[in-house]
Amino acid sequence: GAGVSQSPSNKVTEKGKDVELRCDPISGHTALYWYRQSLGQGLEFLIYFQGNSAPDKSGLPSDRFSAERTGGSVSTLTIQRTQQEDSAVYLCASSPTGGGNTIYFGEGSWLTVV
Amino acid sequence: QQQVKQSPQSLIVQKGGIPIINCAYENTAFDYFPWYQQFPGKGPALLIAIRPDVSEKKEGRFTISFNKSAKQFSLHIMDSQPGDSATYFCAASTGGGSNYKLTFGKGTLLTVNP
Repeated sequence: GAGVSQSPSNKVTEKGKDVELRCDPISGHTALYWYRQSLGQGLEFLIYFQGNSAPDKSGLPSDRFSAERTGGSVSTLTIQRTQQEDSAVYLCASSPTGGGNTIYFGEGSWLTVV
Repeated sequence: QQQVKQSPQSLIVQKGGIPIINCAYENTAFDYFPWYQQFPGKGPALLIAIRPDVSEKKEGRFTISFNKSAKQFSLHIMDSQPGDSATYFCAASTGGGSNYKLTFGKGTLLTVNP
C-alpha cells in the first residue's frame, strides 16, 4: 500500500487477555517504530527496528509488552495480560532509513481494555 | 521527567489569526526539532522541522522560531484557516535528526473558527 497500514483499527478486550497489533510498513522502508499515544499525552516511544540489527526495546513499559518484525517487513506488537492502563492508541511508523527526519505514521490501533 | 514541555494545551483562534504554540526543552543535546500535525483518526504527519543552526524557518504559512539560549522553540501559523484545526505536537531528538528516538510534547489542540 501507499502508507503504513495498521490492524485492527479498533480493539476492545477484556482485562487479562492478550492482544496482537499488526503493522505493515511502507514498502522498502528499513526502519520501523512503535509509539503509544494515551489520551491527553504525547507520543511515547516503545520500540525501534532497523534492518537486521537488534531492536531498541528501551521504551517498552513492562515485560508484558513485546514486538517482533518478520522478514524485515511486517511487525506485531503483543501485549500480554492486558491492564486498563494499556488503553491507548498504538501508532506504528516507518522510515526509509533510521532517523527522525522522515517518519511516516500509520493511523493507529485504538486499544480499549475493559 | 518530561523533557519537552508544550503549551498551551488548547487554543482557539478566528480565521486569519496567528496561533502560536510554544515548546521548551531541557536536554541540551537535542539538535533536531520537528513539528507534527495530527487530524482526528489519523496518524501524526511531519509538518516542519528546524535545527539549532538557524533561528527561524518558514514553509508556506508555517514558521518555526528557535531560541537556543532559552531552550525554546515555537510554531506560528500565519493566516490560519479552519482546515488547520488539528492537534500539533512538537518533538526533539539528538544526532541532527539521525537519532530515531523522538521525544514528544503532550500536544496542542488548535481550533480555528470560521
